[in-house]
Amino acid sequence: ILNVEQSPQSLHVQEGDSTNFTCSFPSSNFYALHWYRWETAKSPEALFVMTLNGDEKKKGRISATLNTKEGYSYLYIKGSQPEDSATYLCAFRGSGTYKYIFGTGTRLKVLA
Amino acid sequence: DAGITQSPRHKVTETGTPVTLRCHQTENHRYMYWYRQDPGHGLRLIHYSYGVKDTDKGEVSDGYSVSRSKTEDFLLTLESATSSQTSVYFCAIGGGDATNEKLFFGSGTQLSVL
Repeated sequence: ILNVEQSPQSLHVQEGDSTNFTCSFPSSNFYALHWYRWETAKSPEALFVMTLNGDEKKKGRISATLNTKEGYSYLYIKGSQPEDSATYLCAFRGSGTYKYIFGTGTRLKVLA
Repeated sequence: DAGITQSPRHKVTETGTPVTLRCHQTENHRYMYWYRQDPGHGLRLIHYSYGVKDTDKGEVSDGYSVSRSKTEDFLLTLESATSSQTSVYFCAIGGGDATNEKLFFGSGTQLSVL
């Protein structure tokens, strides 16, 4: 059974604070790591698809890094805004499979 | 938005009855997935399909079956629904052979088994 873990489970930050979350995944047989943003009452939407060790992706105030050798990815949010409040999910795909295994998510609440 | 439609959007059924959820896509995508969402578990993969008539099990496939007789439709069947199958079910398309392929999700089906 693949173990994809995210931490913390939830956090509250003040508007303007920067924050980061962690996704841990198996370091062997890596193929891809995805990050998704999931707002309440909506469907998950992709933020990043990361495939190479050392990858860094950025979208506005949100960025992500990838370390496939040690099996972790970080998601950073700079200057958090209330509209960043959502659950952030990572999904791991191993080589030789088409399965995407999700972590349990980090629920972020940004307080105005 | 990716053309993914899930039906029904809401369903209430009784224990022991069969239930079929439908996922319909207009993107002609080869790969389709069924996930369930439960508090504390995030999204868990039930079954997925990598082509017409080609399906495989996910993490939590017990009690579920799927069928894909044409590219655009992926059906999830609960042969005999149980209360533990009360959940929100999401269909997704995407992934596959291209390394930059992300998943696109449907709007979800809220299923309650009484």
